[in-house]
Amino acid sequence: QVQLVQSGAEVKKPGASVKVSCKASGYTFTSYYMHWVRQAPGQGLEWMGIINPSGGSTSYAQKFQGRVTMTRDTSTSTVYMELSSLRSEDTAVYYCARDLSNWGGGMDVWGQGTTVTVSS
Amino acid sequence: QSALTQPASVSGSPGQSITISCTGTSSDVGSYNLVSWYQQHPGKAPKLMIYEVSKRPSGVSNRFSGSKSGNTASLTISGLQAEDEADYYCCSYAGSSTSPFGGGTKLTVL
Repeated sequence: QVQLVQSGAEVKKPGASVKVSCKASGYTFTSYYMHWVRQAPGQGLEWMGIINPSGGSTSYAQKFQGRVTMTRDTSTSTVYMELSSLRSEDTAVYYCARDLSNWGGGMDVWGQGTTVTVSS
Repeated sequence: QSALTQPASVSGSPGQSITISCTGTSSDVGSYNLVSWYQQHPGKAPKLMIYEVSKRPSGVSNRFSGSKSGNTASLTISGLQAEDEADYYCCSYAGSSTSPFGGGTKLTVL
């Protein structure tokens, strides 16, 4: 079945970086764009950016420009999201989510979420 | 501050219908028929309920429907059930640079 499996929880100190992985299975990896969305404790969903697994092109939310990097490895059907210069406000659950179409079609499959805690 | 505006909360009794609005601008909701809606229960990942304004994914109850008028999209849930109690988020394509979410609406089934 179609699924996205994310890496485990992380605890980081302020100023560090974190890299979260999202392994896809059950479909053609390069045929669907992948979003990254985060949710701080008790808060709403926040769109971070998107990657085209086929060519590797990316688009990031302005808020994260310069701090986020999204990459993919087609040999393992895995996308990655790296966030640098972490601060306490980055404490959140991070989700990868597949887009139904190239972009804008709706996020139909979601990973289980990865909790990132930033604390000194 | 979210790019799309939703009411913080709505409520209804079992069997009733409710509507959640999602107001954007002419740069997002108003320009594209690419609005999606998500249901999220506590501690769970979001679930796609409506895409491309009014389409339902396979397996989603036909009690859920979507529409759009101008810069405002709406999600209607008819025949409210206890299991519908959750947070709901809208999201819109806004050109090749962003896909903002609404701030979320907490639905309470009385």
